[in-house]
Amino acid sequence: DAGITQSPRHKVTETGTPVTLRCHQTENHRYMYWYRQDPGHGLRLIHYSYGVKDTDKGEVSDGYSVSRSKTEDFLLTLESATSSQTSVYFCAIREDRGQETQYFGPGTRLLVL
Amino acid sequence: QQQVKQSPQSLIVQKGGISIINCAYENTAFDYFPWYQQFPGKGPALLIAIRPDVSEKKEGRFTISFNKSAKQFSLHIMDSQPGDSATYFCAARTLLSGNTGKLIFGQGTTLQVKP
Repeated sequence: DAGITQSPRHKVTETGTPVTLRCHQTENHRYMYWYRQDPGHGLRLIHYSYGVKDTDKGEVSDGYSVSRSKTEDFLLTLESATSSQTSVYFCAIREDRGQETQYFGPGTRLLVL
Repeated sequence: QQQVKQSPQSLIVQKGGISIINCAYENTAFDYFPWYQQFPGKGPALLIAIRPDVSEKKEGRFTISFNKSAKQFSLHIMDSQPGDSATYFCAARTLLSGNTGKLIFGQGTTLQVKP
């Protein structure tokens, strides 16, 4: 699992509430990513980070924000959760050198009621 | 342009048979093509990957065939085993800012290998 943990692993929340998901890595990799996985869509990139305080948008970033104040933590925030954000969220890291291999965490299953 | 189309959506194969999953893309700027395997409740894990200057790559029972002119690539699982039952995703990389790339994933194929 490349030293990646995600918390919480499961969460149920109500529409309109803010939600923060945490990704923690133990190997000081520079690159970190947030994806969401939905049936029929594979995995889609939400936001990514290429260093502390360096983040950028992916293809489905609307309604999401991220922060990275430490190398080891990458936070994904849903400012006001909607039912369309019900999904499984995966964090990934990439090694700083070599191939573009991304290693994924175990995922967070989020249900927005 | 940024899509990767994967087929079939699901696949049932007998133990010992060959499983074949296909992907097609349009963007000729893609420069790296990995396949990921995902078991229920787990994150995707890299299975095998190829660059477009190579037509075939084999690792054990898993082979990627790459056809650059047709913009297609496929995963072949030889001697399929029940333990191979999982969801498989193809992906293609396009460059982003910050000296990294974005993986565009196919829709996924659920493989069931029957004993």
